[in-house]
Amino acid sequence: GNSVTQMEGPVTLSEEAFLTINCTYTATGYPSLFWYVQYPGEGLQLLLKATKADDKGSNKGFEATYRKETTSFHLEKGSVQVSDSAVYFCALVSSGSARQLTFGSGTQLTVLP
Amino acid sequence: DSGVTQTPKHLITATGQRVTLRCSPRSGDLSVYWYQQSLDQGLQFLIQYYNGEERAKGNILERFSAQQFPDLHSELNLSSLELGDSALYFCASSRGGQQNTGELFFGEGSRLTVL
Repeated sequence: GNSVTQMEGPVTLSEEAFLTINCTYTATGYPSLFWYVQYPGEGLQLLLKATKADDKGSNKGFEATYRKETTSFHLEKGSVQVSDSAVYFCALVSSGSARQLTFGSGTQLTVLP
Repeated sequence: DSGVTQTPKHLITATGQRVTLRCSPRSGDLSVYWYQQSLDQGLQFLIQYYNGEERAKGNILERFSAQQFPDLHSELNLSSLELGDSALYFCASSRGGQQNTGELFFGEGSRLTVL
């Protein structure tokens, strides 16, 4: 079956620090990969996506590259802000499944001023 | 604002009771998805409806049921509630349903507490 493994949180960084949240996956077929973000008290929002190997998704200064050889989709940002404090979820949709999103466990990020 | 509306936002009830959670999808979206988010299980897919028909079923208990009405709003019914059903229940919607692209729009959730 499909699964997504994220680095354990919580992650605490100072403002302007570099962020990496690791994500690896197991999937049948050729998955599309996603990062969703959940701000406090809100629902999940799509942050970025990549649909094939070597694609780079980017949005709001965040980036992630679809690495088929390492089955990874790590989230990075060069300089985090306090407003980036949220829970980040890695997810996939695979052509080999019922095409439902499979989510990782989420990583809590706190950015301190 | 995602355009997905969920009610109620908070609900407190007792074991053995039954509750109904309601979801209105974004305008024009035909698919509705229900997810359960709990501390121990993470985010779990429950069920998907597309244009009134059940499309896919995930880890939904037999005590739970859902439906999507002709106006495309959806309800999730939870019965014989147990303490372990306490969770945040999310509704999400998307344009299509024949092929789930993974791009979903989530509501703010309904927090259910079972005492």
